[in-house]
Amino acid sequence: DSGVTQTPKHLITATGQRVTLRCSPRSGDLSVYWYQQSLDQGLQFLIQYYNGEERAKGNILERFSAQQFPDLHSELNLSSLELGDSALYFCASSPDSTGYTDTQYFGPGTRLTVL
Amino acid sequence: AQTVTQSQPEMSVQEAETVTLSCTYDTSESNYYLFWYKQPPSRQMILVIRQEAYKQQNATENRFSVNFQKAAKSFSLKISDSQLGDTAMYFCAFWGYNTDKLIFGTGTRLQVFP
Repeated sequence: DSGVTQTPKHLITATGQRVTLRCSPRSGDLSVYWYQQSLDQGLQFLIQYYNGEERAKGNILERFSAQQFPDLHSELNLSSLELGDSALYFCASSPDSTGYTDTQYFGPGTRLTVL
Repeated sequence: AQTVTQSQPEMSVQEAETVTLSCTYDTSESNYYLFWYKQPPSRQMILVIRQEAYKQQNATENRFSVNFQKAAKSFSLKISDSQLGDTAMYFCAFWGYNTDKLIFGTGTRLQVFP
């Protein structure tokens, strides 16, 4: 158990809908990262938040947004869902914002299926 | 741009044997970290081992060890005394001082047979 929690575990929804994925980092970690894992794109970094502020942005679509709250949990919002958004979404956390000296610990993931 | 290449899509090994998974990377940075993550059928991403580029000594974690060749930009993972529970997808990853994200390879699927 990495100490990172994600809810829900599974989510099934329809095209055009909006969903929210939730992540709680390990105790004491200030950075939260979101990744998308799909069969054709592999593991793709979406976005990082550090202590409530956006720190780095990756291949995140404009239909997707995220935020980190004062209690450090984070939410990833996916809207106008398309079939291609079906994937496993991971959250990871690390202690600091400097990144490369940290180790990221991953949550169990949320499997999103868009029908 | 940094890239991570895992050239072995699939590998298999018999229980108790040793197997080595390959990873090469391309970067112009001198300060970076390298990681191996394991993703078993449960889909959880589990850190296996990490290596700091400035350390010449290869990292070891129980049955897992790496062969880090900085000049060759190679970072292979050796699994000794393979166990059925080692069956998983293994991802090599890179994070550099000037990189704002963890960069993953495409993964190697390892099957351990009894």
